[in-house]
Amino acid sequence: GNSVTQMEGPVTLSEEAFLTINCTYTATGYPSLFWYVQYPGEGLQLLLKATKADDKGSNKGFEATYRKETTSFHLEKGSVQVSDSAVYFCALRGGYSSASKIIFGSGTRLSIRP
Amino acid sequence: DTGVSQDPRHKITKRGQNVTFRCDPISEHNRLYWYRQTLGQGPEFLTYFQNEAQLEKSRLLSDRFSAERPKGSFSTLEIQRTEQGDSAMYLCASSLAELAGGPTAPNEQFFGPGTRLTVL
Repeated sequence: GNSVTQMEGPVTLSEEAFLTINCTYTATGYPSLFWYVQYPGEGLQLLLKATKADDKGSNKGFEATYRKETTSFHLEKGSVQVSDSAVYFCALRGGYSSASKIIFGSGTRLSIRP
Repeated sequence: DTGVSQDPRHKITKRGQNVTFRCDPISEHNRLYWYRQTLGQGPEFLTYFQNEAQLEKSRLLSDRFSAERPKGSFSTLEIQRTEQGDSAMYLCASSLAELAGGPTAPNEQFFGPGTRLTVL
């Protein structure tokens, strides 16, 4: 079945460092890919998405490119801030399985030091 | 606040008791989803409704779990005879259904803050 594997955390970086959180997926068909973020004490929020191969999703300085050849959707940010500290989830939806449910990775906790 | 709301936010219960959670979706959304998130893991799909019809259930949803959406608006998730393994965050999400004729892109699911269940 469809699945998502993401880089284990926790990840600790200094402010203004470059961030990469790796994510790979297994899916039949052509799923849509997502990154969700969960800030402390808050609900899950959609950070960015990409719906087809080579699409780049971007938001709040974060970017991820849908790479079908490597089945990857790595999250990057050029200069992180303390306010980026949160748990990040890579996820997929659709393909040849249910078009409704989202399949999440296990999450990567990111902590940014001032 | 027009987002997804869940009640209660926290529930502590003893093993063997029944619990019920409520989710109020965004008012114009016809789809409603339940997920479960255990510590250190991502959310796992449990079930979803389109209007009042329950269209899909995960094998994670054992016989002790039942979900309803009687009027196509709010939903309840009941767990009977709770077990310690039921301790988790229960998340609700809502969305619009894909456009008729097939999805060109899936509509975003908006998540509520969750209900944290602790079974002692």
